[in-house]
Amino acid sequence: QKEVEQDPGPLSVPEGAIVSLNCTYSNSAFQYFMWYRQYSRKGPELLMYTYSSGNKEDGRFTAQVDKSSKYISLFIRDSQPSDSATYLCAMSARETSGSRLTFGEGTQLTVNP
Amino acid sequence: EPEVTQTPSHQVTQMGQEVILRCVPISNHLYFYWYRQILGQKVEFLVSFYNNEISEKSEIFDDQFSVERPDGSNFTLKIRSTKLEDSAMYFCASGPGTGYEKLFFGSGTQLSVL
Repeated sequence: QKEVEQDPGPLSVPEGAIVSLNCTYSNSAFQYFMWYRQYSRKGPELLMYTYSSGNKEDGRFTAQVDKSSKYISLFIRDSQPSDSATYLCAMSARETSGSRLTFGEGTQLTVNP
Repeated sequence: EPEVTQTPSHQVTQMGQEVILRCVPISNHLYFYWYRQILGQKVEFLVSFYNNEISEKSEIFDDQFSVERPDGSNFTLKIRSTKLEDSAMYFCASGPGTGYEKLFFGSGTQLSVL
């Protein structure tokens, strides 16, 4: 079983739609959960960071973590063509200080004008 | 905004040759990382580095790989004898210590092994 699973898509939505992206994981030691955005041939850029279970909102983005189900989500409201990118979930058992991030495969999102 | 700089952006080498990928981390950061992404696959952790020592390394980071901070600004990844399967995008990242919101990735070096 993969440590982190993410549907690679591709996902295509019209502008203004609500987008839901999800990851499941198997390692119960994971405590820190991140969503990164990656444009083609560029490095990952952090969007959202949450610790343990709960919700976090930042503008049009909401991250949810359900540790009991080992399931995390990213919601994008009022999606824009500029949101078109690959979205990566990532998680870790420790708060950096040299520790590794484990990534999902990434979901490719296209928002059509 | 400070950024992690990687050079070159694209490197082509022959199988069996040595390559050095270079990174300039953000100046006040203390922890440095290398990740790689084979085309169409997930981003994978290679190694983390702190205080001139490896903090953690993955199963991928075998004896053909080494890392070094040769001076106060650069952080390098050396692959001693490249294989075809080393072809990937290599990302450097740096962070101050705790707090993933302060961990930044560079734009990557695309390594092509022929």
